[in-house]
Amino acid sequence: NAGVTQTPKFRILKIGQSMTLQCTQDMNHNYMYWYRQDPGMGLKLIYYSVGAGITDKGEVPNGYNVSRSTTEDFPLRLELAAPSQTSVYFCASSYHKRDGYTFGSGTRLTVV
Amino acid sequence: AQKITQTQPGMFVQEKEAVTLDCTYDTSDQSYGLFWYKQPSSGEMIFLIYQGSYDEQNATEGRYSLNFQKARKSANLVISASQLGDSAMYFCAMREANRDDKIIFGKGTRLHILP
Repeated sequence: NAGVTQTPKFRILKIGQSMTLQCTQDMNHNYMYWYRQDPGMGLKLIYYSVGAGITDKGEVPNGYNVSRSTTEDFPLRLELAAPSQTSVYFCASSYHKRDGYTFGSGTRLTVV
Repeated sequence: AQKITQTQPGMFVQEKEAVTLDCTYDTSDQSYGLFWYKQPSSGEMIFLIYQGSYDEQNATEGRYSLNFQKARKSANLVISASQLGDSAMYFCAMREANRDDKIIFGKGTRLHILP
């Protein structure tokens, strides 16, 4: 049982480049979330999804996009990378919205 | 205004002692839930314990218990008999029914267990 899998684990981007952070879960969870964690800070919600085909903005959505074409996958897209997007990104999922989340191991992104 | 406040940025505790990590929260919702997560130096987020706003008993999970004081809007995590492996960052978090039950996090407390 893999849980929540995030790829890549590390990435360095140049300003203006784009990339997609992948997130896959094999627990048949309905709810999926993307958070970012800046150094010494808690997690801030970027986007979330309550099921395939449905996504919504969190606290800090600017500069990001998501899609949810299947229950398993919830990729996060950065279009024009900026230094302010340097962070650790966590994907998480839950079966019910009131459950504790299962987190992926994170993607450490640096924009230079 | 901060929804979740963790006033202790860092704590040092002797091994085998009990630890209390403070958390206060701000909500006008009647239906909400409180979580504690542990983040070791390896970076993963580990769910520890959950308390619902309507739960009458304090939640317990092994060595972890949540001291829930609803009137004071306080949800402190208590770790009994601390171990070296408890050294980590600890985050208090809250979901609110009126905000689609999305979980928001505090800034965390870094706990150091001393041998």
